[in-house]
Amino acid sequence: GAVVSQHPSRVICKSGTSVKIECRSLDFQATTMFWYRQFPKKSLMLMATSNEGSKATYEQGVEKDKFLINHASLTLSTLTVTSAHPEDSSFYICSATSGAVYEQYFGPGTRLTVT
Amino acid sequence: AQTVTQSQPEMSVQEAETVTLSCTYDTSESDYYLFWYKQPPSRQMILVIRQEAYKQQNATENRFSVNFQKAAKSFSLKISDSQLGDAAMYFCAYFNGNKLVFGAGTILRVKS
Repeated sequence: GAVVSQHPSRVICKSGTSVKIECRSLDFQATTMFWYRQFPKKSLMLMATSNEGSKATYEQGVEKDKFLINHASLTLSTLTVTSAHPEDSSFYICSATSGAVYEQYFGPGTRLTVT
Repeated sequence: AQTVTQSQPEMSVQEAETVTLSCTYDTSESDYYLFWYKQPPSRQMILVIRQEAYKQQNATENRFSVNFQKAAKSFSLKISDSQLGDAAMYFCAYFNGNKLVFGAGTILRVKS
């Protein structure tokens, strides 16, 4: 149980375009979802926390207009990178919880490359 | 702000041997959770072990155990009988009530 999927697993987009990444909880209802960014061989940095039906809470320094997060249902959260630039290239990981926020289940990640 | 420090960027261990990964953290809270996560080359984050701060007993999960020293704010991970499949990046993490704070990670290499 407690499986989280992400789609796509990798995506390449041109600079200036937008790209959407989906995070789904497959066998549980996720009241809270988290989005992380990870650079090669570096740690995970929390970008934002989203609760179903409410606006996401962004970490300091994360541009909310650039990284749009929608948590429309208890099984789906989306991260849209708007007007992507090469510096947005990174590995994006989501996690989800069904109850205790410390008990997070992680998705397999999405590698974004902006050319 | 809470911080998590992993002072070993990289560690190596011989197959079947034991290795200890270090982690220290900074907090003024008395009740919290600590974690060790494994990130293999697939990059899927896998929970290795969890420790509740109010529990004095060190958590164990098969070959994985922790040495939790609350006063020293230290939380090391011991891997016994190391296997090739243990090779990965290991992250120590602290839960501050709202979110997980991760350390910089330790790359563990296992030699056959």
